[in-house]
Amino acid sequence: ETGVTQTPRHLVMGMTNKKSLKCEQHLGHNAMYWYKQSAKKPLELMFVYNFKEQTENNSVPSRFSPECPNSSHLFLHLHTLQPEDSALYLCASSQGGGSYEQYFGPGTRLTVT
Amino acid sequence: KQEVTQIPAALSVPEGENLVLNCSFTDSAIYNLQWFRQDPGKGLTSLLLIQSSQREQTSGRLNASLDKSSGRSTLYIAASQPGDSATYLCAVSTGGSYIPTFGRGTSLIVHP
Repeated sequence: ETGVTQTPRHLVMGMTNKKSLKCEQHLGHNAMYWYKQSAKKPLELMFVYNFKEQTENNSVPSRFSPECPNSSHLFLHLHTLQPEDSALYLCASSQGGGSYEQYFGPGTRLTVT
Repeated sequence: KQEVTQIPAALSVPEGENLVLNCSFTDSAIYNLQWFRQDPGKGLTSLLLIQSSQREQTSGRLNASLDKSSGRSTLYIAASQPGDSATYLCAVSTGGSYIPTFGRGTSLIVHP
């Protein structure tokens, strides 16, 4: 049990669909992150939220829209995705940003058809 | 821009061997370096976190060292076991940024 949960674990969606990924952390952390892990590429940070405020957007296309309603929940809203967006999407949390240890969820395996 | 390289990319060893996994980075102005383990199709499990002021961290059979001046970290695994089979990733957080940079990982197989 990592303390960070993600739903759904698997998702298949068409390019015209709209879906959302959910992440919840039970660790009392203040920072949450979205990462993308594609085959044969290093893990890429997408967004960082610190105390519910977005502090980093790593040049992510607008078809990915994050939402952080509170320090425990993080969403990634998806719309009009492309097949190359198929990947494992990982959520993480830490006590604060930067110098603190990150804890990861199990990920959502997304396939865009 | 920080770049992180992990060598070797893959490693297959018999059970019981002592292993060294390497991580190098180009910008020595780091906050910390973190080693993770990832099992196939799963999330990352944090193994060790070394702050920039530290030289090493130990947890059980794992020991990680950090040499900022040379831009290197090593993860030492003692007496390897089949259960250690996984991909090992290192991530470096550079000063002034919350964006950690990950290496591509070392895929380890320990066979009985």
